[in-house]
Amino acid sequence: DAGVIQSPRHEVTEMGQEVTLRCKPISGHNSLFWYRQTMMRGLELLIYFNNNVPIDDSGMPEDRFSAKMPNASFSTLKIQPSEPRDSAVYFCASSPTRIARRGPKETEAFFGQGTRLTVV
Amino acid sequence: SQQGEEDPQALSIQEGENATMNCSYKTSINNLQWYRQNSGRGLVHLILIRSNEREKHSGRLRVTLDTSKKSSSLLITASRAADTASYFCATDGLTSGGSNYKLTFGKGTLLTVNP
Repeated sequence: DAGVIQSPRHEVTEMGQEVTLRCKPISGHNSLFWYRQTMMRGLELLIYFNNNVPIDDSGMPEDRFSAKMPNASFSTLKIQPSEPRDSAVYFCASSPTRIARRGPKETEAFFGQGTRLTVV
Repeated sequence: SQQGEEDPQALSIQEGENATMNCSYKTSINNLQWYRQNSGRGLVHLILIRSNEREKHSGRLRVTLDTSKKSSSLLITASRAADTASYFCATDGLTSGGSNYKLTFGKGTLLTVNP
């Protein structure tokens, strides 16, 4: 397996433009996470999907951010309109975790290489 | 919000020495994990310790967990220059709704191992 694949690796865009980040999780993993990493705030969890359903989006900073997971093999994170303060590295991670009423199985998250976003 | 907080923020040691990094967290957890990140790369999972475990080993790594103090430590023995990276703890705990689990990370410790 090629691991979690993110595209693009680098994105430079002008303020106000729409940005779409893409992620292909590892086949068979049913949890997907979007994180944002900056020097000031560290690694922030933006949204978490399980079986393609958004479970927790409390980390999404504002309405300009949206994420979708139309199927088990693809997710997007969209910023519209983008602002300079959105500049960061955005990571997608997938995990074989499943929701279990008696507690999830032990698992680990597999990260993509990230998308470095620069909004000028 | 960030769950884990690593300490120290930065650590510089000589090759061959041991490196100890600490992590504190605030709420109940299912397990705690440590990850490594090389500059410009994604995070890589190192080791997981369950909430009912106190110590775990993997190669040169030793992790301890004290749930009463809500803290964990990562020890890297006989460090090498290639161990230079940022190390993050991550807690696997309940979401705000209380029905699901999510993985949240601290800000990391930057470890520099000098040859």
